Amino acid sequence: DADVTQTPRNRITKTGKRIMLECSQTKGHDRMYWYRQDPGLGLRLIYYSFDVKDINKGEISDGYSVSRQAQAKFSLSLESAIPNQTALYFCATSAPFGKGVWDTGELFFGEGSRLTVL
Amino acid sequence: AQSVTQLDSQVPVFEEAPVELRCNYSSSVSVYLFWYVQYPNQGLQLLLKYLSGSTLVKGINGFEAEFNKSQTSFHLRKPSVHISDTAEYFCAVTLSSNTGKLIFGQGTTLQVKP
Repeated sequence: DADVTQTPRNRITKTGKRIMLECSQTKGHDRMYWYRQDPGLGLRLIYYSFDVKDINKGEISDGYSVSRQAQAKFSLSLESAIPNQTALYFCATSAPFGKGVWDTGELFFGEGSRLTVL
Repeated sequence: AQSVTQLDSQVPVFEEAPVELRCNYSSSVSVYLFWYVQYPNQGLQLLLKYLSGSTLVKGINGFEAEFNKSQTSFHLRKPSVHISDTAEYFCAVTLSSNTGKLIFGQGTTLQVKP
């Protein structure tokens, strides 16, 4: 099983609908992230959470909200989806550099959730 | 704030030829640098990273990168590519003082032709 699991993997919805993308991880990491990938733009950070009570906006948070239900779960919501939110969304986890010999600040990614808003 | 620029959006190359994917970053403070690869329909996986020490970093699948502080670059190289190297490659940077946020470049698509 994957260490970082995203559901759904593919979703087609209509403008104005509420959508939730879910992410769960078994890596035991405190930090979780949501990124959006668009062709030619790379990955852009939407929200990030350093622990259950610490949630921060990234560079493109408008139109999105998140919920950190537990250390292992981090959900991204689109309250009222619009067509320019059509993209590939990635969840990722990391552990703070220096916390342990295995922690390097490296991100571990899920396989992505492809969202199409019509 | 730090930023990353990947200078080529697409790099076509023939199999067994060498390749260089270019990455420049902008930051006034110390950074850590990463290269990630994304194969079709998959998530991103780490190729290599520079944290400190030797400026020549070796990664998986025969890739290496050289950190050049004076030119603020972290170019990725492979001496001989394979068809299986066809993928999108992302350069990323984070502050060494706070590794919580990774900033990505726009990506470079490597197309290896037979």
